[in-house]
Amino acid sequence: AQTVTQSQPEMSVQEAETVTLSCTYDTSENNYYLFWYKQPPSRQMILVIRQEAYKQQNATENRFSVNFQKAAKSFSLKISDSQLGDTAMYFCALLASNYQLIWGAGTKLIIKP
Amino acid sequence: GAVVSQHPSWVICKSGTSVKIECRSLDFQATTMFWYRQFPKKSLMLMATSNEGSKATYEQGVEKDKFLINHASLTLSTLTVTSAHPEDSSFYICSANALAVPNEQFFGPGTRLTVL
Repeated sequence: AQTVTQSQPEMSVQEAETVTLSCTYDTSENNYYLFWYKQPPSRQMILVIRQEAYKQQNATENRFSVNFQKAAKSFSLKISDSQLGDTAMYFCALLASNYQLIWGAGTKLIIKP
Repeated sequence: GAVVSQHPSWVICKSGTSVKIECRSLDFQATTMFWYRQFPKKSLMLMATSNEGSKATYEQGVEKDKFLINHASLTLSTLTVTSAHPEDSSFYICSANALAVPNEQFFGPGTRLTVL
């Protein structure tokens, strides 16, 4: 079975600090996709960043970057220079071979002014 | 591009009535549409997967007679909650993947259902 685990239910940091959200997963597939989604209070799911497993280079999108460790099955999200608008639930997800997303439990991130 | 809409954004209904939620891909053709349910402060729970013109595939534990899914075209899927009861109150989210981009799901804004 494919699983995604987020072990941090809630985190809070001061504005402008850097924060890292953890995610581990399990799959027997050799090629797969991993995602981080943001769900702000509006509850609209927003794609933050995606990583293709066959690409060794870590994905980066502006202030958001991942540390993808394929052997360790780890996929953490780093948010640099955090902003108040980054306050949200963050979900890690794995795309299964049938195109279904396997979701982590989520991490509630609070950015304090 | 890749916009998914849902209608209505919120609905309140009486117990025993049926409610239909529409999910539309506005600027692309959706190979597959997914319906999720999300409880407060919880992750997304996949209810069913639907492909245009075929019957939906329901996840274990999801009552197919309670949650009717129709996927009549490549841009429209509907979820009908039949004989709704207070325990059906929840946030329902649809997503779709595009023919050209099957490895990513695009999400609708969700529908909040409250059954009195």
